[in-house]
Amino acid sequence: EAGVTQFPSHSVIEKGQTVTLRCDPISGHDNLYWYRRVMGKEIKFLLHFVKESKQDESGMPNNRFLAERTGGTYSTLKVQPAELEDSGVYFCASSRGQGPSNYGYTFGSGTRLTVV
Amino acid sequence: GNSVTQMEGPVTLSEEAFLTINCTYTATGYPSLFWYVQYPGEGLQLLLKATKADDKGSNKGFEATYRKETTSFHLEKGSVQVSDSAVYFCALSPQGGKLIFGQGTELSVKP
Repeated sequence: EAGVTQFPSHSVIEKGQTVTLRCDPISGHDNLYWYRRVMGKEIKFLLHFVKESKQDESGMPNNRFLAERTGGTYSTLKVQPAELEDSGVYFCASSRGQGPSNYGYTFGSGTRLTVV
Repeated sequence: GNSVTQMEGPVTLSEEAFLTINCTYTATGYPSLFWYVQYPGEGLQLLLKATKADDKGSNKGFEATYRKETTSFHLEKGSVQVSDSAVYFCALSPQGGKLIFGQGTELSVKP
């Protein structure tokens, strides 16, 4: 099966601009997660979709970040306006069920975002 | 709250050396524990996991044992190869679907 696809792989934007990241999960995976790694620090959870609904968005840093998953398929993460501290690698993961112990999570290769 | 602390890198070893990457955690309840690996240019991959105390996860020559008494899940490999060069992340999963990661440890293995 095809893996989790993220694009773009790299994005360089100026402070104040808007960027939209996209994640295509594995077909049939209802659960979709966004994570972020900033400046070589820990990977932090952003939010979790079950189909098109936001199950947990407790990790979203502020209202400049907007995530959507229309139709329960691919997801987008929009940052508007981007700030310097938003730079990092954004990972997406998908799974058939909840709980990484019981259901394998498949991660994408990530989008490296640089805000200058 | 839940958190994971792992040893800082980078770690540089010669081929066939013994590897230990320390990981300790703080958690409420009984989380599952994981090691993920990110090879250059690739996404995170599950390396191994343990779901309860005293369980040992193993894969590709790597091992880690879930030690509840010391709240640790140290990663070990007896003889590393150049192909093991990657970033290793320790993680835990409390109830629910999300993972809580440590800061990652970069491993570089020289021939």
